[in-house]
Amino acid sequence: NAGVTQTPKFQVLKTGQSMTLQCAQDMNHEYMSWYRQDPGMGLRLIHYSVGAGITDQGEVPNGYNVSRSTTEDFPLRLLSAAPSQTSVYFCASTAGLSYEQYFGPGTRLTVT
Amino acid sequence: GENVEQHPSTLSVQEGDSAVIKCTYSDSASNYFPWYKQELGKRPQLIIDIRSNVGEKKDQRIAVTLNKTAKHFSLHITETQPEDSAVYFCAASDSGGGADGLTFGKGTHLIIQP
Repeated sequence: NAGVTQTPKFQVLKTGQSMTLQCAQDMNHEYMSWYRQDPGMGLRLIHYSVGAGITDQGEVPNGYNVSRSTTEDFPLRLLSAAPSQTSVYFCASTAGLSYEQYFGPGTRLTVT
Repeated sequence: GENVEQHPSTLSVQEGDSAVIKCTYSDSASNYFPWYKQELGKRPQLIIDIRSNVGEKKDQRIAVTLNKTAKHFSLHITETQPEDSAVYFCAASDSGGGADGLTFGKGTHLIIQP
């Protein structure tokens, strides 16, 4: 199993550009989440999904959209990038009966 | 919503000594408390977790204690080694950590002095 994968690993955007961060898992986990990590702030929840077709907002959802059309994939879209969205983004998944969250390797995003 | 406070932000200990990191949470409905270790440039890795029906859990040199009444939980690392140097995060969830994600503390940078 590849576990949780994320692409790209690094990305530089200009203010106002849009892009999609990809996340996929091959463990058939029901639950998936997106977090952002900023220095000194820990990880903050952006959006989460409890299954295909179901998503909800976390602590810091503004400026981000998600969708979950399949169990495996949970892409995160930045509609109009802003410098405040410069961060490291982690995707995570959890099996329904297990409490452990498995994190992907992260995407480092810089918005200039 | 849930709020998790973590202390200290930086902890320096001599190799071989013990390290203790403390967290408090605000939501009495929280029932799952994991601890993650993150090395520079890497993803967070679960090192130990505890559920609200248990007061203490150990795994070799690592232990976690939970006081539900006071709403705080702690990570204890004994006989610290250089490879324990990393940033440690506590977290809390009222859904088992799966359904609606985790609320994290801001992290503790643990430095093991040789």
